[in-house]
Amino acid sequence: AQTVTQSQPEMSVQEAETVTLSCTYDTSESDYYLFWYKQPPSRQMILVIRQEAYKQQNATENRFSVNFQKAAKSFSLKISDSQLGDAAMYFCAYSYSGGGADGLTFGKGTHLIIQP
Amino acid sequence: DAGVIQSPRHEVTEMGQEVTLRCKPISGHDYLFWYRQTMMRGLELLIYFNNNVPIDDSGMPEDRFSAKMPNASFSTLKIQPSEPRDSAVYFCASSFRGGALYGYTFGSGTRLTVV
Repeated sequence: AQTVTQSQPEMSVQEAETVTLSCTYDTSESDYYLFWYKQPPSRQMILVIRQEAYKQQNATENRFSVNFQKAAKSFSLKISDSQLGDAAMYFCAYSYSGGGADGLTFGKGTHLIIQP
Repeated sequence: DAGVIQSPRHEVTEMGQEVTLRCKPISGHDYLFWYRQTMMRGLELLIYFNNNVPIDDSGMPEDRFSAKMPNASFSTLKIQPSEPRDSAVYFCASSFRGGALYGYTFGSGTRLTVV
């Protein structure tokens, strides 16, 4: 079974600074997808960024980028120029991309605090 | 599209009562997922459907939990009888062709409190 581990229950960063959230995962599959979701206090699950395992290039979405290390099974999220609106829970998630669907396997989350 | 719609947003019920949570997926999505979020266990997949057919219900915690999808635009998650340990946020999500490639869209969740 796949597992996703987020070792940082909470992170704090000054506004405008850069922060990196860590995520490791375990799978025996070679083809899969990795995601970062943001959950603000409104509890809405918002997709931040997605990475396809067969792509070597790291995904980027504006201020958000990932460092995907397939051999190490590591998938960290970097947030540049942190803003107050970035404060939320961040979840790393895995999805197998084989036939059919398995849904998402989530890590326990990292609570990101932005200090003004 | 209005996105995935869940109702109610909040539900408070007494132990032993039946609770029904509702979900309307995005039109055209062929997969529907039910997740539960608690502080202790995080986000867990309970069950998912493909074209209205339950595919994997191995995450359903007990026989007290049941889920149905009578048509492509509606699904329910029922707990009968409810217990305080069922208190959690329940999310519904839908996707097209499994979601890994095209993405998953989540509803706003139902916060269930069983007293």
